[in-house]
Amino acid sequence: DAGITQSPRHKVTETGTPVTLRCHQTENHRYMYWYRQDPGHGLRLIHYSYGVKDTDKGEVSDGYSVSRSKTEDFLLTLESATSSQTSVYFCAIMSGGTTEAFFGQGTRLTVV
Amino acid sequence: QQQVKQSPQSLIVQKGGIPIINCAYENTAFDYFPWYQQFPGKGPALLIAIRPDVSEKKEGRFTISFNKSAKQFSLHIMDSQPGDSATYFCAASSNYQLIWGAGTKLIIKP
Repeated sequence: DAGITQSPRHKVTETGTPVTLRCHQTENHRYMYWYRQDPGHGLRLIHYSYGVKDTDKGEVSDGYSVSRSKTEDFLLTLESATSSQTSVYFCAIMSGGTTEAFFGQGTRLTVV
Repeated sequence: QQQVKQSPQSLIVQKGGIPIINCAYENTAFDYFPWYQQFPGKGPALLIAIRPDVSEKKEGRFTISFNKSAKQFSLHIMDSQPGDSATYFCAASSNYQLIWGAGTKLIIKP
């Protein structure tokens, strides 16, 4: 398995609170992605990174921010969580040499 | 233009049957078409992939058929087994960006 770890694996939080999800990789891959997965929608890209401090928005970026200060870590922050952000969040990594994406185990986030 | 349309949403097949999942795309800039398999509680994992200069690719019991002119591609699973029960996602890629289909939940009945 690719060395990619997401934390926490499960989280319940209250509406309006900030939440940070962490993705850590040991593969030294250049590209990192945050997706959310909801029934009937497949995987939707939130933000991605193509290098340290280089990030860009995906199709569902509203309400989310990211940071990548080191190659191995990509953080996803919900500044003020809403119930619509209840979802399963996946981090993925991709090297610059191939187009195969490797996924973490996911974080199940519930906003109550 | 960036969408990938996947069908069916769900599929039930008897063991030994050949489930077929279809995907269609619009953007001709896509240059890589992978299929991912996801089991409950796990992240998706690459199953098989094809590039547009090839019309078919087989890996074990899994085959991708690719029709460039129709902008369609499909996954066939030969001699399907209960262990193949999972959600399958097609995707299309360009410049390290993956655009995903909505997924197909496949159940193989013993």
